[in-house]
This record gives sequence, C-alpha cells and structure tokens, in this order.
Amino acid sequence: GAGVSQSPSNKVTEKGKDVELRCDPISGHTALYWYRQSLGQGLEFLIYFQGNSAPDKSGLPSDRFSAERTGGSVSTLTIQRTQQEDSAVYLCASRLVGRGHTEAFFGQGTRLTVV
Amino acid sequence: SQQGEEDPQALSIQEGENATMNCSYKTSINNLQWYRQNSGRGLVHLILIRSNEREKHSGRLRVTLDTSKKSSSLLITASRAADTASYFCATDATAGNKLTFGGGTRVLVKP
Repeated sequence: GAGVSQSPSNKVTEKGKDVELRCDPISGHTALYWYRQSLGQGLEFLIYFQGNSAPDKSGLPSDRFSAERTGGSVSTLTIQRTQQEDSAVYLCASRLVGRGHTEAFFGQGTRLTVV
Repeated sequence: SQQGEEDPQALSIQEGENATMNCSYKTSINNLQWYRQNSGRGLVHLILIRSNEREKHSGRLRVTLDTSKKSSSLLITASRAADTASYFCATDATAGNKLTFGGGTRVLVKP
C-alpha cells in the first residue's frame, strides 16, 4: 500500500481480555516502531524493530505487552489481560534506515478503550 | 521515557503572527525531526535537521539546532488557522536509530 496501515481503527474491549493490534508498514521499510499516546499527551515509545536485529523492547510497560514482526513486514502488538490504564491510541510508524537520514511515516493509529 | 521535551506545552496566537516552540533533549543524536499531529491520530513529518546543521528552512518553517545546548526550535512564520495542531520533536539517537518523541506543543491559531 501507499502508506502505513493499522487495524482496527477503534477497539473496545472488556477489562481482562486480550487484544491484538496490527500494523502494515510501507513495503521495504526496514524499521518499525510502536508508540502509545494517552489523551493530550506525547508519544510514549514502546518497541522498535530494525531488520533482523533483536527488537528494542525497552519501552514496553509490563510483561502483558508483547510484539512481533513477521517476515520483516507486518507487526502485531498484543496486550494480554487488558487494564483500563491501557486505554490510549496506539501508533505505528515505519521508515527506511541505513540510507542516510530518513523520516518516519505513521499510520492513523488504533484507539483502544478498555471498559 | 521521553527524550525530547517541548516548551511551551501550549501556545495561542492570532493568524499572521509567528509561532515558536522549543525542544530539549538529552543524548547524542544523528538528527532531530519535527512532526505535526492533527486531531490526535497519525503524525506527519515536517522537517529534519542533521546534527551537523545549525539551521534549516522549508516554506514557512525554520528550524534551528544547537547540539552544544542539546536544543532545537521550530518557528512557523505568518501562521494560519490551518496550522492549528500539535507539534512534536523527535530525536534519532546515534546508537540504534531509536526515534523518541517529546510531549508536544499544542498550537492554536485564531482567525
């Protein structure tokens, strides 16, 4: 596709349920980032994939959060046993790394509401 | 954790005025980038300045970078109502290409 695609756009889930958020990056982009944004706040870094390297998971807030990137393309962010404080917009971005200085391209995000 | 911190958190100006916002960061960077966000969804890249550059222009945007002070500023000249948005700086770390964002500046341009 032409841009970064995230699905679903909106997700309402009950507390304690697991959710999966999907990100389709721009084809050929080597780096993929996940961020979380609470209402009116900045972007909180969660995890970063770069090529075949081990991901940088330093931003994951707890072991309920995990992410994978299959075949160097699509990524899934999984939140287990969701809590109300997990409610936020989850943003994915991709970019081409290794060819000079490059910008990141963002998807429109998934708004997660835990009730 | 957030690498960049923007100042001010919010800014309200009249159309035609200039808007200036600042960003401070902590670690060594390859470059610093500014993004814009409308209505709380996807961010759009505005401008990138490399660590060996001091100033850059793009249309009505002017960015400066002072690596000795670990700070950057974004100036929007002759603002328009359509410039109303949140603006974020992002640092591209020297080690690992991790892209870290600040808390953002919310800009309101009144017609």
